[in-house]
Amino acid sequence: GQQVMQIPQYQHVQEGEDFTTYCNSSTTLSNIQWYKQRPGGHPVFLIQLVKSGEVKKQKRLTFQFGEAKKNSSLHITATQTTDVGTYFCAGVTTDSWGKLQFGSGTQVVVTP
Amino acid sequence: DTAVSQTPKYLVTQMGNDKSIKCEQNLGHDTMYWYKQDSKKFLKIMFSYNNKELIINETVPNRFSPKSPDKAHLNLHINSLELGDSAVYFCASSQARGSYNEQFFGPGTRLTVL
Repeated sequence: GQQVMQIPQYQHVQEGEDFTTYCNSSTTLSNIQWYKQRPGGHPVFLIQLVKSGEVKKQKRLTFQFGEAKKNSSLHITATQTTDVGTYFCAGVTTDSWGKLQFGSGTQVVVTP
Repeated sequence: DTAVSQTPKYLVTQMGNDKSIKCEQNLGHDTMYWYKQDSKKFLKIMFSYNNKELIINETVPNRFSPKSPDKAHLNLHINSLELGDSAVYFCASSQARGSYNEQFFGPGTRLTVL
């Protein structure tokens, strides 16, 4: 079945540094969404990517969808303590009736 | 105003008991979901309803039974609870079915089975 993998599983970042988390699917996706879950909180929608090669920015966050629509990345520049949390990608295949397949998540810890 | 609310927030119970979790959304959305998040934070969809109709029914034990009395409510009843059912259960909603709709999650219900 479809699998969405995320790496790394854990990311320790010094405040002010940049980091990237990667999402890979075994099958082509119709679109991909990214969510952030703060410690003890619930997933909150960040963004959706639909087009092949699409790049979207939200302040210090840059999201990219691969040309083959099988992978995606989230790059955060100048990490802040407010970036702490787990970042999930969630992919949808064309035949899944909108069912989101969540990646395993990247847990981000920021050291001041 | 809470968009998606769940009760209870915490649920501690003994093995073998039956329990229910309730979910309500005031966003006017047509589609609602139940997710299970295990101790490793892996999020897995369990069920989805669109306007009271079951549209996604993943491979979950039939001890789990969702019920949607109207499109603003989706409840989850669990029979004969087992240790492995311990997890955080999230309810979510989206404007409509289909892959292009963002999902709004409730605060979660942390279920602990002793």
